[in-house]
Amino acid sequence: DAGVIQSPRHEVTEMGQEVTLRCKPISGHNSLFWYRQTMMRGLELLIYFNNNVPIDDSGMPEDRFSAKMPNASFSTLKIQPSEPRDSAVYFCASTLGPGLAGGNTGELFFGEGSRLTVL
Amino acid sequence: GDSVTQMEGPVTLSEEAFLTINCTYTATGYPSLFWYVQYPGEGLQLLLKATKADDKGSNKGFEATYRKETTSFHLEKGSVQVSDSAVYFCALTLSVPAPLVFGKGTRLSVIA
Repeated sequence: DAGVIQSPRHEVTEMGQEVTLRCKPISGHNSLFWYRQTMMRGLELLIYFNNNVPIDDSGMPEDRFSAKMPNASFSTLKIQPSEPRDSAVYFCASTLGPGLAGGNTGELFFGEGSRLTVL
Repeated sequence: GDSVTQMEGPVTLSEEAFLTINCTYTATGYPSLFWYVQYPGEGLQLLLKATKADDKGSNKGFEATYRKETTSFHLEKGSVQVSDSAVYFCALTLSVPAPLVFGKGTRLSVIA
């Protein structure tokens, strides 16, 4: 089975440019999460969706960041304009819908990440 | 708020040495606990999990026991290999589905 698919794997851009990161969750998963990983701050939750609806975006750093999930199989994280301090690895993760009865024990399934470098 | 504290790394061990990576948590309820592993250039992979007190998670020779009385979930392996070199993350969640709260990670290097 295909796992979580992220693109691009690597992106190098210049300050001020728009960056769009993409994620395809595992088929059948109803919840999707965006995390950011840096050496200084570790793994930070940016936003998560249940059934395509944003539930908590309190981790989004500022208005330059936005995320959408137009359907169950696709999500984007956009940074506009980008800044050097946005350089990080961005991970997307997905999981099944609610309830242990649905077989979900809480684990998240991660993509390979998108490494962003803003010059 | 809920949090996870892991021992600071890096940890460097010789092949076949015993490994312990400490993890303690603070949570308002009874969380599920996880260990994830991240190999260089890759995403996080679930290594093992435990969903209630006294449960032991195990996988690939790694073990961790959910200790409610000490709020701990220490990772152990009896004999590490060079291929175990990676960053290990302890994490918790209090509900499903919900974000995982991660520790800062512990980098393990195993030398031959």
